[in-house]
Amino acid sequence: QKEVEQDPGPLSVPEGAIVSLNCTYSNSAFQYFMWYRQYSRKGPELLMYTYSSGNKEDGRFTAQVDKSSKYISLFIRDSQPSDSATYLCATSTIPNAGGTSYGKLTFGQGTILTVHP
Amino acid sequence: DTEVTQTPKHLVMGMTNKKSLKCEQHMGHRAMYWYKQKAKKPPELMFVYSYEKLSINESVPSRFSPECPNSSLLNLHLHALQPEDSALYLCASSQEGPYEQYFGPGTRLTVT
Repeated sequence: QKEVEQDPGPLSVPEGAIVSLNCTYSNSAFQYFMWYRQYSRKGPELLMYTYSSGNKEDGRFTAQVDKSSKYISLFIRDSQPSDSATYLCATSTIPNAGGTSYGKLTFGQGTILTVHP
Repeated sequence: DTEVTQTPKHLVMGMTNKKSLKCEQHMGHRAMYWYKQKAKKPPELMFVYSYEKLSINESVPSRFSPECPNSSLLNLHLHALQPEDSALYLCASSQEGPYEQYFGPGTRLTVT
């Protein structure tokens, strides 16, 4: 079982729809959560970063974390064709005493999203 | 500015060549990373530098040799690569700790 599970899709929605992207994780040590957007043949672009349970909003994007269920979500409101990309969730742990656990992101497999006009 | 730059954008090299990938950031980040990404897969961590010292090597073959000349620059030296090393190579940086990482646009490497 992967430490972070993400449905690879593909997911296809009409323009203007609300998109829900989800990941589950198994390791309770994961305390920091990120969502990246990656266009084809480009580097991942950071969309959201959070470390607490609850919601964090930025424009049309809302990140939701439920640590009790080990479940993270990204909602995209009023989706646009320009949102068509692969969305990657990622997690990170609290640094251990040796300081070597930092910097190790654990990624989900990515969800391919297409928003059609 | 949250920009990480990488050069070159594309690189084609033979199995006997030696080449280098370069990465630069001016965000004052003290942790820098190299990742490898194959098509339709998430990035895989290769190396982590913290305060210009190699902190993590994810058992990467010695044909990949990282170098951090200063806090803003990160190089990846390539030698005697195999065709299966063809991939998108990504550089990232962050503050030290479990913080968000900012990625560059990547270098698309093809080994012939």
